[in-house]
Amino acid sequence: AQRVTQPEKLLSVFKGAPVELKCNYSYSGSPELFWYVQYSRQRLQLLLRHISRESIKGFTADLNKGETSFHLKKPFAQEEDSAMYYCALSYTGGFKTIFGAGTRLFVKA
Amino acid sequence: DGGITQSPKYLFRKEGQNVTLSCEQNLNHDAMYWYRQDPGQGLRLIYYSQIVNDFQKGDIAEGYSVSREKKESFPLTVTSAQKNPTAFYLCASSSGTGHGYTFGSGTRLTVV
Repeated sequence: AQRVTQPEKLLSVFKGAPVELKCNYSYSGSPELFWYVQYSRQRLQLLLRHISRESIKGFTADLNKGETSFHLKKPFAQEEDSAMYYCALSYTGGFKTIFGAGTRLFVKA
Repeated sequence: DGGITQSPKYLFRKEGQNVTLSCEQNLNHDAMYWYRQDPGQGLRLIYYSQIVNDFQKGDIAEGYSVSREKKESFPLTVTSAQKNPTAFYLCASSSGTGHGYTFGSGTRLTVV
């Protein structure tokens, strides 16, 4: 069965420190993976997609099929990065998406 | 301003009553979705619709019903058969594979 696991419920780092939010998935086909972010009092929004191999707000994520991981990374965390982050896996042609339980990132000054 | 509008923002329901949550989008997206968000559990799929007049059950469809009579609208009815309806409900839409979802701001339903 498809599954997305985010092992950390809470991640706290200092401003300027590197940050890595972990995501592991279970899926037998070719995955479509995403990271979504929810800032305080804002709606859930798409952060980045693995197929576009883009960097958004300094964040990157690389799909590692061998380790079935899609970790989100940023070399220097900023206070405005504090938010809830969800990893997501889409399948059935993109019409079904399952989400991890989320990781709350707290960047301390 | 393009996007998804969910209403109401807060909804209170007495036990035994059905309630309908509204979701409207003006993004011209074909696909629409309803998710339920509970603390510590992430988002769980209730129903989804790939096209008008068609919809499919998600992982937790019991006690819920939907309709898709117009491309722009995908209302969710929480029936009295739903055993634990108190939750945060999110509507989303998508233009297709690989594009990700656009989410509404959510409706918080409380059973009193």
